[in-house]
Amino acid sequence: DTEVTQTPKHLVMGMTNKKSLKCEQHMGHRAMYWYKQKAKKPPELMFVYSYEKLSINESVPSRFSPECPNSSLLNLHLHALQPEDSALYLCASSQRNDRNEKLFFGSGTQLSVL
Amino acid sequence: AQTVTQSQPEMSVQEAETVTLSCTYDTSENNYYLFWYKQPPSRQMILVIRQEAYKQQNATENRFSVNFQKAAKSFSLKISDSQLGDTAMYFCAFMRWDFGNEKLTFGTGTRLTIIP
Repeated sequence: DTEVTQTPKHLVMGMTNKKSLKCEQHMGHRAMYWYKQKAKKPPELMFVYSYEKLSINESVPSRFSPECPNSSLLNLHLHALQPEDSALYLCASSQRNDRNEKLFFGSGTQLSVL
Repeated sequence: AQTVTQSQPEMSVQEAETVTLSCTYDTSENNYYLFWYKQPPSRQMILVIRQEAYKQQNATENRFSVNFQKAAKSFSLKISDSQLGDTAMYFCAFMRWDFGNEKLTFGTGTRLTIIP
């Protein structure tokens, strides 16, 4: 299994809603990432979890709250989002192996905030 | 901070031809990885090829190869015998070799269209 699975694929939410994005991998990877990608732009790093601990937080607003319940799962909790938060949210994972480090990406969640 | 520059926003080439995508980067690090990722219209980010900075030999993966010039901080991607399925956005990316603090930084991308 070499997949990173993200659900849902599409999400529409109002600015007062609370929703969660989910990401799962069964490759035994020990690092997981959240990226945000606006249309026609490169992905931008939001968070990195390494061995289930938050290791990088790129000064993301608190309305985005990551959670890593175990080494296979990564969630992104959303609350009180703004229309400018509409984007593709990509999850990725990597082995944490210096000699063979590379990121595997999921297919993303397309988020629309109304 | 590392920066990655892709100077060709768009390119197009006839099917079966060879095309080269350019990428330059700026870093003070000596140990790092470089990647090319492909993002087709489905928006799935797919790893195309990977290069470790300490290796002088250029990486190859079937029809894809790179020209890695460490001193010039250049990392171009060559696609041989291009196919319609190669149509996608291509991102060059940099990751420094820092266990526990990996961060993948992307260039702005090159939109490649393969013409039948």
